[in-house]
Order: sequence, then C-alpha cells, then structure tokens
Amino acid sequence: GEDVEQSLFLSVREGDSSVINCTYTDSSSTYLYWYKQEPGAGLQLLTYIFSNMDMKQDQRLTVLLNKKDKHLSLRIADTQTGDSAIYFCADAYSSASKIIFGSGTRLSIRP
Amino acid sequence: GAGVSQTPSNKVTEKGKYVELRCDPISGHTALYWYRQSLGQGPEFLIYFQGTGAADDSGLPNDRFFAVRPEGSVSTLKIQRTERGDSAVYLCASSSGTNRLEQYFGPGTRLTVT
Repeated sequence: GEDVEQSLFLSVREGDSSVINCTYTDSSSTYLYWYKQEPGAGLQLLTYIFSNMDMKQDQRLTVLLNKKDKHLSLRIADTQTGDSAIYFCADAYSSASKIIFGSGTRLSIRP
Repeated sequence: GAGVSQTPSNKVTEKGKYVELRCDPISGHTALYWYRQSLGQGPEFLIYFQGTGAADDSGLPNDRFFAVRPEGSVSTLKIQRTERGDSAVYLCASSSGTNRLEQYFGPGTRLTVT
C-alpha cells in the first residue's frame, strides 16, 4: 500500500539550514508535497513538485527529489524561529484526488 | 472570509451520539476533501467531492461515517453512533477545478468522544 515516512524530530540552530527528509513507497506518485502545520493552525501548503522534476526552489525553500530512491527532501535556508512547526511530506497520484501524508517531522529551533 | 472555514471548532459528545461537522470551502472551489488527523499522525484521507457528488469515498472507515454536499458548496460530515476511537481533528480542504493540486485546508474541528 501507499506509505510516506519521515523522521519525527529535527533540531537546528537559528540561522543554519534545515533539511527534512522523506521517503515514499508508491512509484506511481505524480505529485509530492510539503505542508507546514503550526500549533493551533491549519495545514499550510508550502510547495509541491512534479515527479518528473529533480529540484524546485522557492525563496528559502529547496525541494530535491530522487525518484529512483523515492526520496524527497525539503531544505530551509537561514532557519528562523518562525519556522518552528511540524512539516508533512505527502504524495498524490495524477488525479490528485487524495493526498497521502507522512506522520510529520517536528522542527525545533535552538538559539 | 477568503479561507476554508469549519464549524464547530470543538465538539465534545458522548459515546453513541450523532454528530455533524460542517465545512465551508473557498468560494468557487469545486473540489472538497475531508481528512481526519489523529494525535501525532498526519492527516488521513476520508472522502473527496467534485461538485455535489462523492468522487472517492474510499477513506471512510465504516458505514457510520457519511458526508454530503447537496449544492456543491458547503459539506457536512456525519458520524453516527460515535465511538471513542472517532476522537480526532477533522480537516476539510478545497481546491479549484482548474488546479486540484493545491488543496487549501481549514483549521479543523476537534472532536472528542467521551
């Protein structure tokens, strides 16, 4: 079945880069997403990448996709305290009718 | 408002009772989704509407769960004979017909079954 896995926790120093990793099992996945969830807030779509792309950059965010290894990563440059949140990796088929989420990685920032 | 709204924000009910959760999608969005998020987990897909019809209800856990969207806008998720295991945050999302890739989520309804 479909599965998306991510590590549970990541701690980084303010100003450093954060790299959150994810693996997925379904080779038919067409779209891969990163969502952000802050305490008491809804899920915020950060970015997504098509499976025929290797990389996507959007300001401080860089998404890398290794389709052969089914590995997705999110790099946040110059991590700030406002980046503290849970980050969810997710995938979807070409129909994009439903999104399969991982369990989330909690990113904490230390001074 | 511009975003997806959900009511109530919190619902506490007794085991065995019936509950209804409401979702107001972003105006003009034709696709609507329900997800359930248990503590410490990612959201889990329940059902997807395109217009008034349920295009994919494969995530509904059993026949106690039902959802409607009679006019293609507001949707109601209905849970009969609630069980303690139904306690979770129920999330609603919507997307436009021209770009279903971008699902925008509401703040959720926290359901607690005692």
